[in-house]
Amino acid sequence: GAVVSQHPSWVICKSGTSVKIECRSLDFQATTMFWYRQFPKQSLMLMATSNEGSKATYEQGVEKDKFLINHASLTLSTLTVTSAHPEDSSFYICSARPGTGSFGYTFGSGTRLTVV
Amino acid sequence: QQQVKQSPQSLIVQKGGISIINCAYENTAFDYFPWYQQFPGKGPALLIAIRPDVSEKKEGRFTISFNKSAKQFSLHIMDSQPGDSATYFCAGQTSGSRLTFGEGTQLTVNP
Repeated sequence: GAVVSQHPSWVICKSGTSVKIECRSLDFQATTMFWYRQFPKQSLMLMATSNEGSKATYEQGVEKDKFLINHASLTLSTLTVTSAHPEDSSFYICSARPGTGSFGYTFGSGTRLTVV
Repeated sequence: QQQVKQSPQSLIVQKGGISIINCAYENTAFDYFPWYQQFPGKGPALLIAIRPDVSEKKEGRFTISFNKSAKQFSLHIMDSQPGDSATYFCAGQTSGSRLTFGEGTQLTVNP
């Protein structure tokens, strides 16, 4: 089945530093990937849609200069949290849809970010 | 128009019992309704999904019931097991579009 790999699974960083999260589609090509943020006991909140070879589309209220997204290849999208602050601590999850004929989305295993 | 309402927020069931989670949607353009299961510290995993032209879909112990006229659908977990303890999310989706998630239901199955 379609697999989306996310790395790292957890990261701790100091306030003011930047951290990069990778999302890879292992056995399919993904022209579009999605980045979500999830707070404890809450639903997934879509942050942005990552488009291969073009700029990402950000949801209202998401700072594009803080959450940098790069989708340089058909199998890799990265999310960089710049100048991280404690309020950026959250669970970040990426997803992709394997194939235009498929409806189902496959999710990565998530990245727990803690900013201290 | 994009919302998907999910209830209950939490559910406790005894082992062997039936777990029922309900969702209601507003967007009549949705044409795919998946359910995702999420364990702590993990990403969601597709559990089962249904198209609106079908009233019921069953896969093992998991069944989706769909009522198009009422714009409601539900997940039934038969013979619930402790291993089913997780958070469940319903969602709505239109062709090629992103998912709209419900608020989630935290299910606990007691042994």
